[in-house]
Amino acid sequence: ETGVTQSPTHLIKTRGQQVTLRCSSQSGHNTVSWYQQALGQGPQFIFQYYREEENGRGNFPPRFSGLQFPNYSSELNVNALELDDSALYLCASSADLTGAFSGANVLTFGAGSRLTVL
Amino acid sequence: GQNIDQPTEMTATEGAIVQINCTYQTSGFNGLFWYQQHAGEAPTFLSYNVLDGLEEKGRFSSFLSRSKGYSYLLLKELQMKDSASYLCASTDSNYQLIWGAGTKLIIKP
Repeated sequence: ETGVTQSPTHLIKTRGQQVTLRCSSQSGHNTVSWYQQALGQGPQFIFQYYREEENGRGNFPPRFSGLQFPNYSSELNVNALELDDSALYLCASSADLTGAFSGANVLTFGAGSRLTVL
Repeated sequence: GQNIDQPTEMTATEGAIVQINCTYQTSGFNGLFWYQQHAGEAPTFLSYNVLDGLEEKGRFSSFLSRSKGYSYLLLKELQMKDSASYLCASTDSNYQLIWGAGTKLIIKP
C-alpha cells in the first residue's frame, strides 16, 4: 500500500508567478485535502475534494485553486504568488467523507512541498 | 470564532511522563484528533476522541472532556524519539479540522 506522495518537495518562485503542486493520494482513499503550514504553526485548511468536486474551503483567496482527477490524485494551483505564500503545503488523503465519523476520516499526510517565494 | 489553544513548548526527561493540554472552541464538535509531527516531516495520526474519557494506546493516552472543551495527550516512558511537535485538531460542525499551532516537546536525557 503506497502512501501519499507530493511533488515537488522544494521549489523557489518569485512574487507574481504561478505554481502547481501535485499529490497522489493513498490507495483506496477518495478524499483529498490541502493545508498550508507556516513555520512553527499548525496546518491551515485550504480546501478539500471528494469525487472530483470541492466540498469544503478554508479562508483562502480565489487565487488558490485545485483539481481532483478520476484517480483521486490532486493539484493545488496558486496564482499571483505573494511573499506570505511561503510555507509548507501538505496534502492529506482519507478514506471517506460521509459525515459519519468512525475513525475512517483519519488523514494520511504527504511529506509536503516547501514553497519559497522571493 | 474557532480557536485551539495548546502550549508552545514543553520539556521533559527521558523515561518520565508528560501531559500536553489542549483547549478548543469550535462551531459544533465532531471529535478531537492528536497528530505527531517530527521536524521536516508530515503529521502522523496518534489518536481520536469523540466521547468523554480516556483512550489508551500503548505509551500514549488521550483524554477528552466535551463539557470543558478540553483534551490532553499523555505520553509515558518518554523516549528520545518522542521529541516532536504534537498537534491538537478539533472537527467542527462541517467535519473540517481546526488545528492548534502545535506543542514542541523537547526530551532531555
